[in-house]
Amino acid sequence: DAGVIQSPRHEVTEMGQEVTLRCKPISGHDYLFWYRQTMMRGLELLIYFNNNVPIDDSGMPEDRFSAKMPNASFSTLKIQPSEPRDSAVYFCASRPQGHEQYFGPGTRLTVT
Amino acid sequence: DAKTTQPTSMDCAEGRAANLPCNHSTISGNEYVYWYRQIHSQGPQYIIHGLKNNETNEMASLIITEDRKSSTLILPHATLRDTAVYYCIAEYNNNDMRFGAGTRLTVKP
Repeated sequence: DAGVIQSPRHEVTEMGQEVTLRCKPISGHDYLFWYRQTMMRGLELLIYFNNNVPIDDSGMPEDRFSAKMPNASFSTLKIQPSEPRDSAVYFCASRPQGHEQYFGPGTRLTVT
Repeated sequence: DAKTTQPTSMDCAEGRAANLPCNHSTISGNEYVYWYRQIHSQGPQYIIHGLKNNETNEMASLIITEDRKSSTLILPHATLRDTAVYYCIAEYNNNDMRFGAGTRLTVKP
């Protein structure tokens, strides 16, 4: 298995633009997670899905952020409009029933 | 979720055992202790987890005290590739994982 796949790996955009981050979880995994990592706040859970249904989105910073999982093999995290403070590394992770989360390589987002 | 406390940084000589401590004095009975690590610029990697008993896998050993208020992750023969930030997390269902600052382990030749 190729592991969790994220795209793009790097994104540079201007303030006010819409940004869409993509994630393909490991096949057969029931749970999908989106995290954000910054130097100031560390690694934070934004939202997670179980069987394509959002379970907990309490970590989503504000209405500018939205996440969807239209099917078991694809999820998006959208920021609209983007702001410089959204600059961070965004990780997607998935896991089966059980204990291990498998993280993707991350998307480094820079908003200028 | 129980709060965990870890040293900010540690050094270890290559080939020696690395012992990383974690305090979780408020852990509840149904919370597991998880360990992940993050090598620079990569996504975190699962290492091991345990509830009450000591655990061992191909990567590491986890020693949990009888009162469950603390634990130690042991890398038996540290290599340079083990240099990373190690996170100790107390969580009951592996969904709402709260990664703290972790311990920055530096393995030196």
